[in-house]
Amino acid sequence: KNQVEQSPQSLIILEGKNCTLQCNYTVSPFSNLRWYKQDTGRGPVSLTIMTFSENTKSNGRYTATLDADTKQSSLHITASQLSDSASYICVVRLFSGNTPLVFGKGTRLSVIA
Amino acid sequence: DAMVIQNPRYQVTQFGKPVTLSCSQTLNHNVMYWYQQKSSQAPKLLFHYYDKDFNNEADTPDNFQSRRPNTSFCFLDIRSPGLGDAAMYLCATSRDRANNEQFFGPGTRLTVL
Repeated sequence: KNQVEQSPQSLIILEGKNCTLQCNYTVSPFSNLRWYKQDTGRGPVSLTIMTFSENTKSNGRYTATLDADTKQSSLHITASQLSDSASYICVVRLFSGNTPLVFGKGTRLSVIA
Repeated sequence: DAMVIQNPRYQVTQFGKPVTLSCSQTLNHNVMYWYQQKSSQAPKLLFHYYDKDFNNEADTPDNFQSRRPNTSFCFLDIRSPGLGDAAMYLCATSRDRANNEQFFGPGTRLTVL
């Protein structure tokens, strides 16, 4: 069964600290993996996309890694800001099919002063 | 700016009273999607339109219907909302069904009394 599991479910960190969110998937055949940021009451916004051959992708203070062999990805946030408080959703795309996206449940991050 | 717009942002309806949610896009994308997202859960795909071709997910209840009168607009009709239908409803678009990013609207929060 195609699944995406994220951990932790929720996380609280102090402003300025770093954190790492995890994503494990069993999706096959794999096409790509995206990390989305979803602010409360808003739609998800794409942060990074990684294909099978990419190991690392950065977008400002966000750095995503992908290990296609172990089917694991992580999202590292550096020097967190209050505005980073949101849900971070890992989404894996199947290589084919009319329902190509498999969503994780997300990690709820709270950055406090 | 090109975007995905959802109206209203918040909708309150009574148990059993039909309700329609609206989505419009200025991206001129071929595909429009409707997702249901309940609290702390991943978005769940209800159906999508590829141009005028309607694609329903197998487990989407008959209570949910959709219309796409033109490229720009797509509607979600809930014929007889139940308490379990209270959720955030997300509209998304993509250029086509291949490896294209899905762009999400801000969502409509539906409350059923």
